[in-house]
Order: sequence, then C-alpha cells, then structure tokens
Amino acid sequence: DIQLTQSPSFLSASVGDRIAITCRASQGILYHLAWYRLKPGEAPRLLIRAASTLQSGVPSRFSGSKSGTEFTLTINSLLPEDSATYYCQQLHGNPYTFGKGTRLEIK
Amino acid sequence: QVQLQESGPGLLEPSETLSLTCSVSGGSITSAYWTWIRQSPGKDLEWLGSIYSSLYYENTIDHNPSLRRRVSLSVDTTKSRISLEVTSVTTADTAVYFCAREGRNDYRYLDVWGKGISVTVSS
Repeated sequence: DIQLTQSPSFLSASVGDRIAITCRASQGILYHLAWYRLKPGEAPRLLIRAASTLQSGVPSRFSGSKSGTEFTLTINSLLPEDSATYYCQQLHGNPYTFGKGTRLEIK
Repeated sequence: QVQLQESGPGLLEPSETLSLTCSVSGGSITSAYWTWIRQSPGKDLEWLGSIYSSLYYENTIDHNPSLRRRVSLSVDTTKSRISLEVTSVTTADTAVYFCAREGRNDYRYLDVWGKGISVTVSS
C-alpha cells in the first residue's frame, strides 16, 4: 500500500496567519493527490484535486503544490472557520489511502 | 447540486452484517462512480471501495483488498441508492461511514460527500 505521512498532526495558528500542511508519499504518485477538510457534523469538503487544482467554490486562500513525492496544502489569511481537520488522499494506487490528518486550531 | 445522505442502523452486535444505504438526490446515479469511506474513532480515514453505475453494462467495482472478503457494494438505480454491506462485523468496524461521489477526468477525487452515519459494534 502507498503510505502518506502527513505533518504536523496538530497546528495552532491565529486569524490572518499563513499555514502549511505537508503530505509525503512513500512512492511516486504523480499528481494523484487530493486535500479535504473535515468538520464534525458536516459533509467533508474537497479543497484541492490533482495536487494543485483548486476545487470550484473553494476560496483562493487555499492552494496546493507538489515537489517530487511531497505535497503541500497552504492556507493564507486564516479565518476562524478554517478550524477543522485536514486530510490528504492519494488516488494513484488501490487502496486509495489517506494521511492521518492535521487538526488546525485557530487561536 | 448532488446531495448524498447515508442511512442505516447505528448499533450492531459482533458477527452481524452491517447494511448501509446512500441516497442520491439532485443528480443522476448512473454513469458515475460512488465510494464508501469510513473514519475510525481514532480519526483515521479508510477507503472501502467504489462502484461505477453503468447505464448499459455491468457495474464496475473496486475493493480495498484488505476488506474484499467482507465488503460488497451495489447500486439500485430505480431508488437512486448505493448500498454497502460489511459481513461478520467486529468492534474494529465501529466508525463513521461516508459515501461520496468520485469525479474522474485525468485525475480522481471525491467531490461530493454525505455527512456520514455513526455505526457502533458492541455486545
């Protein structure tokens, strides 16, 4: 199975800050990576697909990038509603595994 | 827009069969990929499998190999529902179960999700 090592597991930041979450794949997955936001009681939301394509309707404060097997989700100008847990998922090889998540706390 | 809603029992005993359905509204269930994912109490996400609902041919199913023997997926186009069955459940199957639509062009992604349903396996 392809392993995704996501870091950090927890992040505390202030409104207006810029943060980055990293996801490293255990082997090459080309651009087959997506980022999601999960909030309790809400349907999970797709943020980024194909490593760097912003999903329709997602604010441009969110961006994704790729360098080799390392993928990064960046959120600029944090807002209180960005408090959530963020996950990466590889869709290159079955089973389509997820990272362990990053819980983002807005101070 | 497409909306998904999961339904099913919230509590099962070990060895029973878990049966969940995902109702699709606001769009067609055919010619689309549908996926089940679960989130354990420890918050890990696990992809369970996906099914392609074909209008003209046999449905295509992709399983997570670790669960292939216990998981089955099906589609009921007349009721616009996707179903998941997990046999011989144990406490390790306790999780929140989500259904999602899988988008595919050059790349794959899960672009529409349900809110999930909590399932507990306990004696």
